[in-house]
Amino acid sequence: QVQLQESGPGLVKPSQTLSLTCTVSGGSISSGDYYWSWIRQPPGKGLEWIGYIYYSGSTYYNPSLKSRVTISVDTSKNQFSLKLSSVTAADTAVYYCARDQNYYDSSGYRRSDAFDIWGQGTMVTVSS
Amino acid sequence: QSVLTQPPSVSAAPGQKVTISCSGSSSNIGNNYVSWYQQLPGTAPKLLIYDNNKRPSGIPDRFSGSKSGTSATLGITGLQTGDEADYYCGTWDSSRVVFGGGTKLTVL
Repeated sequence: QVQLQESGPGLVKPSQTLSLTCTVSGGSISSGDYYWSWIRQPPGKGLEWIGYIYYSGSTYYNPSLKSRVTISVDTSKNQFSLKLSSVTAADTAVYYCARDQNYYDSSGYRRSDAFDIWGQGTMVTVSS
Repeated sequence: QSVLTQPPSVSAAPGQKVTISCSGSSSNIGNNYVSWYQQLPGTAPKLLIYDNNKRPSGIPDRFSGSKSGTSATLGITGLQTGDEADYYCGTWDSSRVVFGGGTKLTVL
């Protein structure tokens, strides 16, 4: 049974870089069947997709965060990571990693995205 | 302001049926598949429905999904107190995954 676990500092100072790692257990990140995403949720608010990575290293980011986001993968450790630079209080949130099933159907343009396994989430507070 | 519009809250009595709507546009729901997530208090979201109306293994058939045009609907029958949670719809929109603002379900 695949499980995901986030880790990283719970407190980051403004203007610094937030760094989190997601460790995948019970399955290989290199299986090629899935993408691996980061999603965040500010306190009391809804979900925001940050971006995803494929085991090959190819990435796709939310355009609203693209200039500050880097997602990387370490297949030897079965981990993928998130870096978010120049953080402000608005980046305070619970950060989740999730397994992402996405594909385009036979039409070639209709897309399916489903996050079928989630980590428990880790709260990151941006404060001096 | 979320790209997908959901009612902030819905409520119903135990044993009853409730529906939660998710309204979008041609750039998202209209031309892509919708998924639904349940978030119990203090926990991570859980996938309930994918590809508009498919249930992952282990999700009871009390939960159903449908889509028509640029709107999608989550249905829950035989409501239980354990269904009290926030529910989110999600889909692809041009260049990113987007979610609805969430709907809080209260089982009275």
